Amino acid sequence: DAGITQSPRHKVTETGTPVTLRCHQTENHRYMYWYRQDPGHGLRLIHYSYGVKDTDKGEVSDGYSVSRSKTEDFLLTLESATSSQTSVYFCAISPTTGVGYTFGSGTRLTVV
Amino acid sequence: DAKTTQPTSMDCAEGRAANLPCNHSTISGNEYVYWYRQIHSQGPQYIIHGLKNNETNEMASLIITEDRKSSTLILPHATLRDTAVYYCIVPSSSSNDYKLSFGAGTTVTVRA
Repeated sequence: DAGITQSPRHKVTETGTPVTLRCHQTENHRYMYWYRQDPGHGLRLIHYSYGVKDTDKGEVSDGYSVSRSKTEDFLLTLESATSSQTSVYFCAISPTTGVGYTFGSGTRLTVV
Repeated sequence: DAKTTQPTSMDCAEGRAANLPCNHSTISGNEYVYWYRQIHSQGPQYIIHGLKNNETNEMASLIITEDRKSSTLILPHATLRDTAVYYCIVPSSSSNDYKLSFGAGTTVTVRA
């Protein structure tokens, strides 16, 4: 999607290894979000950010950490990947509260 | 988030209008109704949102009942590319950060 890029697009990693996913935006939006999507569960919020260095937990934050050192980048880290974290991860941005989100194209992560 | 109820699935003929209902009987007076859709394996896409008045944009129309307890998304001339999962969302206004929670949505299949 225009203005938001996720990297990598695909990744296969081994159980127990750390993994970092990156979300990069060029829209200068204040809010950024990480979701995961699994069959039977839909999209679930992991963490979100409401400004540089300001982050908070979502509904499925266990096993994940985030960082936002500058407006354009929001990093999601799996400290020690587990098979249950195999999923498709989506990043989203929004300029303000209550305004439509723009989602990235997703990162497909497989933990073996 | 205010709970929303949508049909699990619906079919629509290409070229005809698709009317997607959503019930949100517990909605509060200042909470918006948002609609998103997700085409297979892509990130969700914002469609439209509204508070009280009916809304229209280049993608769709949103009709909200006077009591605001339900709404209908209208795709005026459905095409095969409109086949997707459609989400009706009412984010909570109880905090300053409007976090979207996605339910199961309605799987819409447009048939030729």
